[in-house]
Amino acid sequence: DSGVTQTPKHLITATGQRVTLRCSPRSGDLSVYWYQQSLDQGLQFLIQYYNGEERAKGNILERFSAQQFPDLHSELNLSSLELGDSALYFCASSVTYTTRWGYTFGSGTRLTVV
Amino acid sequence: QQQVKQSPQSLIVQKGGISIINCAYENTAFDYFPWYQQFPGKGPALLIAIRPDVSEKKEGRFTISFNKSAKQFSLHIMDSQPGDSATYFCAASKEGAQKLVFGQGTRLTINP
Repeated sequence: DSGVTQTPKHLITATGQRVTLRCSPRSGDLSVYWYQQSLDQGLQFLIQYYNGEERAKGNILERFSAQQFPDLHSELNLSSLELGDSALYFCASSVTYTTRWGYTFGSGTRLTVV
Repeated sequence: QQQVKQSPQSLIVQKGGISIINCAYENTAFDYFPWYQQFPGKGPALLIAIRPDVSEKKEGRFTISFNKSAKQFSLHIMDSQPGDSATYFCAASKEGAQKLVFGQGTRLTINP
């Protein structure tokens, strides 16, 4: 157990729907990162929050949004889902807002859009 | 300039052999190079990392070799074991960066 908790583990939904993925960072970590892992794109950085504030944005679609709450858990919202959004979504956490000491990843949420 | 290219995509090694995975980067500002190991159904886990002030770092059976002039770094797994079968990702970032740039991954299979 890495200490980073992601729920749900699996999610199957239809095109056009909206889902919310949840992440609780490791105790003491202030930064949360979201990554999308697909077979053809590898691990793609989506967005980072540090202590409740957005710090960096990557290749995140406008249909996707995220936030980090006062208790430091984070949610990734995916709307108007398309077949191509099917992927593994990972959350990672770290103590600082930079990569200097690496990340700790959760086990991911596997999203299947049908 | 943000890319990290990883090879091979897949690798099969006999038990006891040496597994070698290579990565190349373009951005000379990168100064942190970690390797992550991912087992099926799990998230990537930090395995070993190096900074460009050293050419080699060893932790147990795992060694990173770093060639700054060639902008390449590699992971060597000595005495490879079936339990090492996993997907390995190299990554890179620069000082103060918020994100890691990952390679495409290498699926390593160690045959018993």
